[in-house]
Amino acid sequence: EAEVAQSPRYKITEKSQAVAFWCDPISGHATLYWYRQILGQGPELLVQFQDESVVDDSQLPKDRFSAERLKGVDSTLKIQPAELGDSAMYLCASSSTQETQYFGPGTRLLVL
Amino acid sequence: QKEVEQDPGPLSVPEGAIVSLNCTYSNSAFQYFMWYRQYSRKGPELLMYTYSSGNKEDGRFTAQVDKSSKYISLFIRDSQPSDSATYLCAMGGGSNYKLTFGKGTLLTVNP
Repeated sequence: EAEVAQSPRYKITEKSQAVAFWCDPISGHATLYWYRQILGQGPELLVQFQDESVVDDSQLPKDRFSAERLKGVDSTLKIQPAELGDSAMYLCASSSTQETQYFGPGTRLLVL
Repeated sequence: QKEVEQDPGPLSVPEGAIVSLNCTYSNSAFQYFMWYRQYSRKGPELLMYTYSSGNKEDGRFTAQVDKSSKYISLFIRDSQPSDSATYLCAMGGGSNYKLTFGKGTLLTVNP
């Protein structure tokens, strides 16, 4: 069964450092999403791509976060500089139909 | 008021019990409704999705939507210890197909 791949699975960094997360969606899925999930909360959308174009980045803190999907396949989410409040699970999801989203295993980030 | 409200629990039941998980919402634009299961330190796994009011059954799971009351439920029959997880409701609608999630309910099924 096809799955969304994410790496790394865990990342520990110090505040003010740069971090990057990678996502490879299910093959053929044109839509890709990055979510942030704080412990005890539901996922919150950071950015949505349709192919290589950003559809929604209204909740992305653009002073420190950036996301790209250059060839419309895999994607990278970057944080620079990381802050203590960025500690969370970063989830990638993809979809072919417009409603159903399939999630990867996530990257758990701890900022010290 | 948040768009989606979900009781975070925790909910603890004995093996074999019927479990009822619920969410309410305020946005009338929501057209489709989903339930995800999330095991500890894993990504959410899609369980069920529905588009209309009524019931949808899949094995031991039944999803129920009441659009007039803006209320959705997930029922789990004959609950198993392997059902122990956090259950997230999610819903969406409109032109950008953005999903809005509840906080999740932590369920523990005791053997």
